[in-house]
Amino acid sequence: GESVGLHLPTLSVQEGDNSIINCAYSNSASDYFIWYKQESGKGPQFIIDIRSNMDKRQGQRVTVLLNKTVKHLSLQIAATQPGDSAVYFCAENIEVWGGGADGLTFGKGTHLIIQP
Amino acid sequence: NAGVTQTPKFQVLKTGQSMTLQCAQDMNHNSMYWYRQDPGMGLRLIYYSASEGTTDKGEVPNGYNVSRLNKREFSLRLESAAPSQTSVYFCAIMRRNMNTEAFFGQGTRLTVV
Repeated sequence: GESVGLHLPTLSVQEGDNSIINCAYSNSASDYFIWYKQESGKGPQFIIDIRSNMDKRQGQRVTVLLNKTVKHLSLQIAATQPGDSAVYFCAENIEVWGGGADGLTFGKGTHLIIQP
Repeated sequence: NAGVTQTPKFQVLKTGQSMTLQCAQDMNHNSMYWYRQDPGMGLRLIYYSASEGTTDKGEVPNGYNVSRLNKREFSLRLESAAPSQTSVYFCAIMRRNMNTEAFFGQGTRLTVV
């Protein structure tokens, strides 16, 4: 079946540097993508989302880029801080009219390590 | 995590025992989900409920049943637990309108021995 995946299982960056986490998806019908952050022992936390009619969306210190041509999604975190250490997941979904949903398909995650 | 409460947080079962994982939300969302998370596997959807009174299978439904008791509550039941069901289970809610709201509970760590 189609799936969402991440290129690197672990990413190590220096505190203060920018980090980029990548995600490849294969379902061309997916029209909605979300990035989640999961800290140890906690549930995933919503970071930012993007719809397929957009190429870029910015939040606070985070930017998501979507390249539908190559089915690639990335999360950029600016000026990383120790609190950014976590596992990051991308997820995809096909939007259902009316707000219902058939569930998100998640990638396996990238562990972001912030070094002092 | 705000708005989604799961119980219990930890549970150990013997093979063949049954149990129900509870999930309740206070955010008035229509859609509720149950996921399991295993090392190296990410999160996989077990069942979901798009609205009160409806449930549908996800990617890995075998060995589980669900009940959408009302808009607030969505329970996951293991009728006869197996070691392969050792996992961390997450309940989630999501609503997509102009602004997306998506929240997960804190998780239930289940061990089947």
